[in-house]
Amino acid sequence: AQKITQTQPGMFVQEKEAVTLDCTYDTSDPSYGLFWYKQPSSGEMIFLIYQGSYDQQNATEGRYSLNFQKARKSANLVISASQLGDSAMYFCATDPSSNYKLTFGKGTLLTVNP
Amino acid sequence: DGGITQSPKYLFRKEGQNVTLSCEQNLNHDAMYWYRQDPGQGLRLIYYSQIVNDFQKGDIAEGYSVSREKKESFPLTVTSAQKNPTAFYLCASTFGGQGDEQYFGPGTRLTVT
Repeated sequence: AQKITQTQPGMFVQEKEAVTLDCTYDTSDPSYGLFWYKQPSSGEMIFLIYQGSYDQQNATEGRYSLNFQKARKSANLVISASQLGDSAMYFCATDPSSNYKLTFGKGTLLTVNP
Repeated sequence: DGGITQSPKYLFRKEGQNVTLSCEQNLNHDAMYWYRQDPGQGLRLIYYSQIVNDFQKGDIAEGYSVSREKKESFPLTVTSAQKNPTAFYLCASTFGGQGDEQYFGPGTRLTVT
């Protein structure tokens, strides 16, 4: 079974600053993927970034980067130059190679202050 | 425009009634998923289907049923056996391989009184 832990129920950041959202995972699968999704107040889930367990380099997508530390089983999301529109719930998720089902954490509510 | 549609956005039902939530995708994805989200919680998997005419139970399948007669459609029925049906329901689809992002619909907020 897989488990995702997001220890920060809420985070605050000033506009234009960087913020790190924490995610740790637990899986027995040798191969797995890690995802981050954003959920605005409208409810729709928006894919942000993906990291494969065998990828040597940390994934980056525009202002989003994933700080992947395999030995520590952590996959933190870094958002640079925060914008007001970044205010949302952020979910970390994993899919093992065995069944491609996503397991989600409970999320972190990010608030960007002007 | 390709995407996933869910209807309706808000749904109200009386306790004891079955209700079916619609999910349609035109992305040519093989796999489709249904999730439930409660306030302050992450998403929990109800059912998923990796191919037409086949589906598997997720972590919280009790009180729910699905069908997959067409590749594009994966309706979810919330039966009267579901003890706490009030929740936000999200449908997703993907090509089905590891690392393939799941595309989500806008969700249906179901309220049962």
